Amino acid sequence: KQEVTQIPAALSVPEGENLVLNCSFTDSAIYNLQWFRQDPGKGLTSLLLIQSSQREQTSGRLNASLDKSSGRSTLYIAASQPGDSATYLCAVNPPHSNYQLIWGAGTKLIIKP
Amino acid sequence: NAGVMQNPRHLVRRRGQEARLRCSPMKGHSHVYWYRQLPEEGLKFMVYLQKENIIDESGMPKERFSAEFPKEGPSILRIQQVVRGDSAAYFCASSTGAAGANVLTFGAGSRLTVL
Repeated sequence: KQEVTQIPAALSVPEGENLVLNCSFTDSAIYNLQWFRQDPGKGLTSLLLIQSSQREQTSGRLNASLDKSSGRSTLYIAASQPGDSATYLCAVNPPHSNYQLIWGAGTKLIIKP
Repeated sequence: NAGVMQNPRHLVRRRGQEARLRCSPMKGHSHVYWYRQLPEEGLKFMVYLQKENIIDESGMPKERFSAEFPKEGPSILRIQQVVRGDSAAYFCASSTGAAGANVLTFGAGSRLTVL
């Protein structure tokens, strides 16, 4: 059974620092992996989608990597800003279903001005 | 384009009452997904629908829960005889195709509190 873990559950860093969020999954057989952002009281925003054949994806100050063999993905945020404060969730898409997503519990990120 | 619209945003029900949550997908999206999120937990898949069809309801409890996506109108998640354990945030997402292969657009969620 696929399980997705995100550690730490919460992270607080000063503004301007580069940081890495971690996501691990127990079954390396995945179709793809996605990173989302969740703001309090709001829905989720898709940040990056990495296909299983890809190693990384970049969007602005965000870079997500995928290492299927080790069951890990990282989300790198460069030059963090207070507006980056949110909960970041990763989700994997198992190969047996092209639409179900299995979610981590998220990392709550606080960027201190 | 208003995105995915969910209502009500907040709903309070007493045990035994019914809860109806509505979701209007993004314009042009014909695939709708419902997820439930308990406090401090990730989302859990409940049901996947296309217009007039339930594609997969394996994540939805068989008793008391039902979902529909009619030809006209929003998708509706219905919870009958609610219990305290049903208190959660219910998120709807839509896409042009199957999730995983396509980017999901999420609504702001409906937060159900059962007293």
